[in-house]
Amino acid sequence: ELKVEQNPLFLSMQEGKNYTIYCNYSTTSDRLYWYRQDPGKSLESLFVLLSNGAVKQEGRLMASLDTKARLSTLHITAAVHDLSATYFCAVDGATSGTYKYIFGTGTRLKVLA
Amino acid sequence: NAGVTQTPKFQVLKTGQSMTLQCAQDMNHEYMSWYRQDPGMGLRLIHYSVGAGITDQGEVPNGYNVSRSTTEDFPLRLLSAAPSQTSVYFCASSWGFGTGDSPLHFGNGTRLTVT
Repeated sequence: ELKVEQNPLFLSMQEGKNYTIYCNYSTTSDRLYWYRQDPGKSLESLFVLLSNGAVKQEGRLMASLDTKARLSTLHITAAVHDLSATYFCAVDGATSGTYKYIFGTGTRLKVLA
Repeated sequence: NAGVTQTPKFQVLKTGQSMTLQCAQDMNHEYMSWYRQDPGMGLRLIHYSVGAGITDQGEVPNGYNVSRSTTEDFPLRLLSAAPSQTSVYFCASSWGFGTGDSPLHFGNGTRLTVT
């Protein structure tokens, strides 16, 4: 069964600091997705990581994928208040033979001024 | 492009009532899905469809039905509403599944309360 775990679940950090969110998944997957959700809003796609060793960056966010370790990280550099949101990772079951996108429980990030 | 459109945005039901949540997309996406979002539990997959005429169950399908008669529409039916179905429901679609750079595109959600 495909499962996705994120940690931490909650993260409160000062502006200007760096931090990393971790996403572990249980079975083989070649693709991993990161989404952002603002309070009361929908989810928007941040990154799609397509292969082992993939790294993508957008502004202060950088995501990477290690398929051998079944681990993805979302690194936040010099956090600013606008990054406050909930971040979800997800994997698809294509490699496992299922047509499901499975999400982690999310990491709620609060950046304090 | 409207993207993924969900209606209604808010709904209050009494226990035992039935209703249909509507979802339509105008991006010619083959893959469509329904999720529910509850505090502390992330998004859980209810049902999904890989194309018109094809549907399958996700992680939490009990109490819900779906159909996919066209590529564009993927309605979710609550058969007999229960308080445990109080949640925020998201419809999402993608061009393909497991192919290339094809993330899910989400609708704005339907906030459902069952009393």
